[in-house]
Amino acid sequence: GQQVMQIPQYQHVQEGEDFTTYCNSSTTLSNIQWYKQRPGGHPVFLIQLVKSGEVKKQKRLTFQFGEAKKNSSLHITATQTTDVGTYFCAGIMIYNQGGKLIFGQGTELSVKP
Amino acid sequence: EAGVAQSPRYKIIEKRQSVAFWCNPISGHATLYWYQQILGQGPKLLIQFQNNGVVDDSQLPKDRFSAERLKGVDSTLKIQPAKLEDSAVYLCASSFQTGMAAFFGQGTRLTVV
Repeated sequence: GQQVMQIPQYQHVQEGEDFTTYCNSSTTLSNIQWYKQRPGGHPVFLIQLVKSGEVKKQKRLTFQFGEAKKNSSLHITATQTTDVGTYFCAGIMIYNQGGKLIFGQGTELSVKP
Repeated sequence: EAGVAQSPRYKIIEKRQSVAFWCNPISGHATLYWYQQILGQGPKLLIQFQNNGVVDDSQLPKDRFSAERLKGVDSTLKIQPAKLEDSAVYLCASSFQTGMAAFFGQGTRLTVV
């Protein structure tokens, strides 16, 4: 079936190191969204990418959408302890009656001070 | 603006019992999602509504799960009868339209014993 794959599953970094998570879809996506979920919390929307090859930045976070609109990445520069959580990509897959929002498995980030 | 409201927050039931969850989306949001999130995994889309119509329910175990969104506003998700593997957090989310940012409620943590 239609899937969104995300790697790695876990990433442990020292504070100040960089972090990257990758997302791949089995089908072309209409757009891709990124969410962050803190331990015990619910997913919180971070950003949406729509255009092929699009790059967006939010302070230390850089998001990219692949040219074929099948892959995406999130890069965090100089991680801080506040970055701890699980980062999910979620793709909008065009379906018969519209688009459905499918989540990847997530990458759990832990940051050691 | 009020967020997505879900109730109850926690529920413990015995297997083979029934349970219902309620969700009130953000006012004016046409799209409503129900996700199942098992510990350590990404949210799995169970059903997606656009107003009171179903966009996708391909992952909903229809022999035991049902959902409705009468009048295109709030929604209920029911499980009858529950199985041990239904233990999870059930997340409701809404977006203004399909393809836009989804806002999640706090979730209902279901434990089936």
